[in-house]
Amino acid sequence: EDKVVQSPLSLVVHEGDTVTLNCSYEVTNFRSLLWYKQEKKAPTFLFMLTSSGIEKKSGRLSSILDKKELFSILNITATQTGDSAIYLCAPNAGNNRKLIWGLGTSLAVNP
Amino acid sequence: GAVVSQHPSWVICKSGTSVKIECRSLDFQATTMFWYRQFPKQSLMLMATSNEGSKATYEQGVEKDKFLINHASLTLSTLTVTSAHPEDSSFYICSARALTDTQYFGPGTRLTVL
Repeated sequence: EDKVVQSPLSLVVHEGDTVTLNCSYEVTNFRSLLWYKQEKKAPTFLFMLTSSGIEKKSGRLSSILDKKELFSILNITATQTGDSAIYLCAPNAGNNRKLIWGLGTSLAVNP
Repeated sequence: GAVVSQHPSWVICKSGTSVKIECRSLDFQATTMFWYRQFPKQSLMLMATSNEGSKATYEQGVEKDKFLINHASLTLSTLTVTSAHPEDSSFYICSARALTDTQYFGPGTRLTVL
């Protein structure tokens, strides 16, 4: 059965801290892994990773994939209160290319 | 780019009525769209996969006669909740898959059935 485990489930930090969010997965016919940020509404797209070892970067956020060890990490440096959200990782898998969802990591950044 | 819209953003209806939710990809074509629902503090639950020009594929446990999906064009999919009941109250979200295989989400529709 396809499975995605994110850790930690929740995290509270102070502004300026650096955080690392983890995502491990076991899925059949893996194609890619996507990271999303969800605040009060629907998820917004952050990254799509398809190859191992190639870091994707956008501002203070970066992410990398390890297809051998079946995990991905999302780093956020110099966190701000606006980074408070649930971060979801979702492998894209199977012939129908459905996203398999983890429970997410709830990040709270305090001023 | 890669904007997905949903309409309405929120709707309140009486029990027994039907509600239609539209999902549009505004600046790209999407042969596949997905419909999700999400309860408070729970993860996204995939309801169905909608393919342009063909019947939707429903996830186990989702009633196809209750949640009618139509994907009439490459930029529009609709979800109709028929004979809605209070337990259908939820946050319904669509996503559209771009050629890059990335799924972009609409802003969601909050349905409240009285």
